[in-house]
Amino acid sequence: QKEVEQDPGPLSVPEGAIVSLNCTYSNSAFQYFMWYRQYSRKGPELLMYTYSSGNKEDGRFTAQVDKSSKYISLFIRDSQPSDSATYLCAMSGNTGNQFYFGTGTSLTVIP
Amino acid sequence: DAGITQSPRYKITETGRQVTLMCHQTWSHSYMFWYRQDLGHGLRLIYYSAAADITDKGEVPDGYVVSRSKTENFPLTLESATRSQTSVYFCASRLTGGAGYGYTFGSGTRLTVV
Repeated sequence: QKEVEQDPGPLSVPEGAIVSLNCTYSNSAFQYFMWYRQYSRKGPELLMYTYSSGNKEDGRFTAQVDKSSKYISLFIRDSQPSDSATYLCAMSGNTGNQFYFGTGTSLTVIP
Repeated sequence: DAGITQSPRYKITETGRQVTLMCHQTWSHSYMFWYRQDLGHGLRLIYYSAAADITDKGEVPDGYVVSRSKTENFPLTLESATRSQTSVYFCASRLTGGAGYGYTFGSGTRLTVV
């Protein structure tokens, strides 16, 4: 069983839609939860970070962590064509020396 | 410019050859990492380094060698390249004690082993 599971999609939505991206994990020791965005042929860039459980909001983006269910989510409100990318979840224990990544969800926002 | 740079961007090599991928960062981040990205597997950690002369294995270290004589450089060497090492390789760095900052990634090296 993989440490982190992520639905690869692809996901296609109209501009302005609310997007929900999710990951599940198996390791209860994970404390740091991150979302990265990766454009084609580029390196991933950090989008959101959450420590332990709870919600975090940054503009149109909201990250949620439910440690009891081992489930994390990223919501994108008022999605834009520029949001078209692959979204990777990542998580780590307290040291942060090794992050485990999901396989990524490909998102296309259609104008 | 400040940042993390990888070279080369693209590389084609033959099976059995030794190849070195370079990674250079200008922030003096103590931690540096090498990941490979493959379809269906996502990003997997090869090796990481907590400081100069301190390295440790990740999830998939076999067939790779790293060194870190200077804080800013973290080269990755494939000692005898195999087709299964065809992949996109990403170098990353982060601050000491800054697990919450996440990584900053380079632009990647696309390696093809023929």
